[in-house]
Amino acid sequence: GDSVTQMEGPVTLSEEAFLTINCTYTATGYPSLFWYVQYPGEGLQLLLKATKADDKGSNKGFEATYRKETTSFHLEKGSVQVSDSAVYFCALSYYNFNKFYFGSGTKLNVKP
Amino acid sequence: DVKVTQSSRYLVKRTGEKVFLECVQDMDHENMFWYRQDPGLGLRLIYFSYDVKMKEKGDIPEGYSVSREKKERFSLILESASTNQTSMYLCASSFDRGRYEQYFGPGTRLTVT
Repeated sequence: GDSVTQMEGPVTLSEEAFLTINCTYTATGYPSLFWYVQYPGEGLQLLLKATKADDKGSNKGFEATYRKETTSFHLEKGSVQVSDSAVYFCALSYYNFNKFYFGSGTKLNVKP
Repeated sequence: DVKVTQSSRYLVKRTGEKVFLECVQDMDHENMFWYRQDPGLGLRLIYFSYDVKMKEKGDIPEGYSVSREKKERFSLILESASTNQTSMYLCASSFDRGRYEQYFGPGTRLTVT
């Protein structure tokens, strides 16, 4: 079946450090891939997405590339800020199908 | 601007009570979803609806029911609340199918005592 696996957190970094949060997926077809972010006390917000292999999604300095050969969609940012502290969720979904598959979330703590 | 609202941010109920969680979206989305979020388990789909009066079970529907009488409103009902239903409940909506991302409400943190 379909599933998403994320690295366990929490991830603790100093401000301006490089961030990678790993995400791998298992899919029976050709899904779209998403990263969502959840700030404390809030719902999830879409951060970026990619709809086909080799696409790169980007937003607010975050990037992720859809790698079909390694079934991965790792989230990266070159220089994190304290305001990036949040929980990050990787997800997949298919066109013409309502269901989303979410990873378990990775908590990021950024220290000044 | 896209908006999904939930009736309460925090709710405390007693075991055995009937609980209603309301969700409203103003984007004319066809699809609406209810998830629960628990530490270490991520988001789990309870029910979703792809049209008025239509519903489908998600991964964990036991102990819950839903109602969608109008396109913009999707209600989650706990017929007889139990302590193991203490959780964060998130509502989401989306256009039509699949490729279109889901938009989430702020969540309702429900405590059942």
